[in-house]
Amino acid sequence: TAGITQAPTSQILAAGRSMTLRCTQDMRHNAMYWYRQDLGLGLRLIHYSNTAGTTGKGEVPDGYSVSRANTDDFPLTLASAVPSQTSVYFCASSRTAGVPNNEQFFGPGTRLTVL
Amino acid sequence: GQNIDQPTEMTATEGAIVQINCTYQTSGFNGLFWYQQHAGEAPTFLSYNVLDGLEEKGRFSSFLSRSKGYSYLLLKELQMKDSASYLCAVMDSNYQLIWGAGTKLIIKP
Repeated sequence: TAGITQAPTSQILAAGRSMTLRCTQDMRHNAMYWYRQDLGLGLRLIHYSNTAGTTGKGEVPDGYSVSRANTDDFPLTLASAVPSQTSVYFCASSRTAGVPNNEQFFGPGTRLTVL
Repeated sequence: GQNIDQPTEMTATEGAIVQINCTYQTSGFNGLFWYQQHAGEAPTFLSYNVLDGLEEKGRFSSFLSRSKGYSYLLLKELQMKDSASYLCAVMDSNYQLIWGAGTKLIIKP
């Protein structure tokens, strides 16, 4: 079982360009999440989806958009990249949302550099 | 505001015991998680505490005191492969995880 896959592994992007980070899970999890991880800071939630067809804003949603057309895929789009979006992006999933003891499983991450 | 505090870095010796502390102030509490993250890799789940007390899982144990807003992760019989960052995260009243910045643990022979 692959779990969660992310693509690309890394990317260098010119400021102002758009990009979509892909995330796919094969665990049939209902909930999915996008985080960014920056040095010295904890993981910060960008957007989440409790179930297919629904999405919500996290702590740092500005400059990012998501969609959840089906259970497996949760792409993250940067419409017009800025250098402050340079970060490592992790996609995660959990069996469900809104319950305690809700272990999240993480993808391998995408390292994005915006120049 | 919501806040999770843990030491930035700790050093320990192979074979020894180390305790990594985490204090938190959050809006609501639905449990505390510990994750391990090796450099360049994804975080992986270690433990979950929602009731006060100690949960033991092999060489790793996790403790919680809700009244003190405090948890620790105890690692025994340290091995070189335990060199990693350890992330503390609290599930708030909206069932979202609030993450600490992580503690980088360096194991020396």
